[in-house]
Amino acid sequence: GAGVSQSPSNKVTEKGKDVELRCDPISGHTALYWYRQSLGQGLEFLIYFQGNSAPDKSGLPSDRFSAERTGGSVSTLTIQRTQQEDSAVYLCASSLAGGGRETQYFGPGTRLLVL
Amino acid sequence: GNSVTQMEGPVTLSEEAFLTINCTYTATGYPSLFWYVQYPGEGLQLLLKATKADDKGSNKGFEATYRKETTSFHLEKGSVQVSDSAVYFCALKGAGNMLTFGGGTRLMVKP
Repeated sequence: GAGVSQSPSNKVTEKGKDVELRCDPISGHTALYWYRQSLGQGLEFLIYFQGNSAPDKSGLPSDRFSAERTGGSVSTLTIQRTQQEDSAVYLCASSLAGGGRETQYFGPGTRLLVL
Repeated sequence: GNSVTQMEGPVTLSEEAFLTINCTYTATGYPSLFWYVQYPGEGLQLLLKATKADDKGSNKGFEATYRKETTSFHLEKGSVQVSDSAVYFCALKGAGNMLTFGGGTRLMVKP
């Protein structure tokens, strides 16, 4: 079946602009995660959604970052007033459930470049 | 908090050589352990996993054993191929549900 999809695959923006990144998880997966992969920081957790529960936002680096998940499926990560240090690959993953043994399946990522 | 430490690369090997990539972790409780692989130009793919002590994960000739006594999950392959060239990430998942990744190890296999 279809895997996790993300759009756009690449995004170039100017410092100070807002950007929205989209993730379509695998159908039927109730858990959805956002991570960031950057040269200086490696792979970092950003936010986690599980069903209708309140999201775990503990990894968001600042209040410029927010995410929502509509209807328990598609998710959008929004970065307001982008900064150059936001340049990274943003990865979305989903899993069947949120338990410790569940495998997370990753999308191809969105490469963000802030000029 | 949770953390994962893996050997820095790049690791350069000749085809058919034996591969070991070391991974150690710090975590409370009993985490699940994973190896993910990122081939050039592609996304992260799960390579193998182990969910409890002494479990061995295996896939595509790669193996790793969950060693609780040494808090390790070293990745091994008996005979690497050029097609194994990629970046390998060790990761753990604890009670918090998110994955904590190591820094990644780039493997380069020469023919």
